[in-house]
Amino acid sequence: NAGVTQTPKFQVLKTGQSMTLQCAQDMNHEYMSWYRQDPGMGLRLIHYSVGAGITDQGEVPNGYNVSRSTTEDFPLRLLSAAPSQTSVYFCASTKHSGAPGANVLTFGAGSRLTVL
Amino acid sequence: EDKVVQSPLSLVVHEGDTVTLNCSYEVTNFRSLLWYKQEKKAPTFLFMLTSSGIEKKSGRLSSILDKKELFSILNITATQTGDSAIYLCAVDTSGTYKYIFGTGTRLKVLA
Repeated sequence: NAGVTQTPKFQVLKTGQSMTLQCAQDMNHEYMSWYRQDPGMGLRLIHYSVGAGITDQGEVPNGYNVSRSTTEDFPLRLLSAAPSQTSVYFCASTKHSGAPGANVLTFGAGSRLTVL
Repeated sequence: EDKVVQSPLSLVVHEGDTVTLNCSYEVTNFRSLLWYKQEKKAPTFLFMLTSSGIEKKSGRLSSILDKKELFSILNITATQTGDSAIYLCAVDTSGTYKYIFGTGTRLKVLA
């Protein structure tokens, strides 16, 4: 059971380049989300999805796009990278049903992105 | 605006000490509060709390929630160097599907 898999683990971009961070889960979780973690800022929600075809914005969505074509995958796209997007990115998922314990987020290992 | 505040921001203790980490929250439609431990990589789940006054315990770690005063504490007794990590508190709000995280408490345990 792989859980939540993120790729790549590290990436260096130049300002203006585009890239996609991949996230896949094999736990049949309806809810998937992307966070960024910066020093002193905790985890901030970028975008989330409650099922295939459904996405919504979180706290810091500007500069990022998402789509959810399958239950398993939730890629995060940076269309024109900026130095302010230098951060560690985490994907997380959960069943998020009403059952006890079903809303515990499971995290991927993280992707460290540097934008020069 | 929903918010979660953790204190202290950082803490340095010696092995064997007991520590108490605090998490206060102001959110609409509270559903549950979760504690995570983050070492070098991904946060790992510790506890989920939904009801006031019921202590959750796992080894030397324990946590309790007070829904009247809107806070939770995480206690670690007989600390070890392996407890050194960032401890994150998050609140799950029903209806919005958003998890709101605090900034975390960075704990360092010295041998």
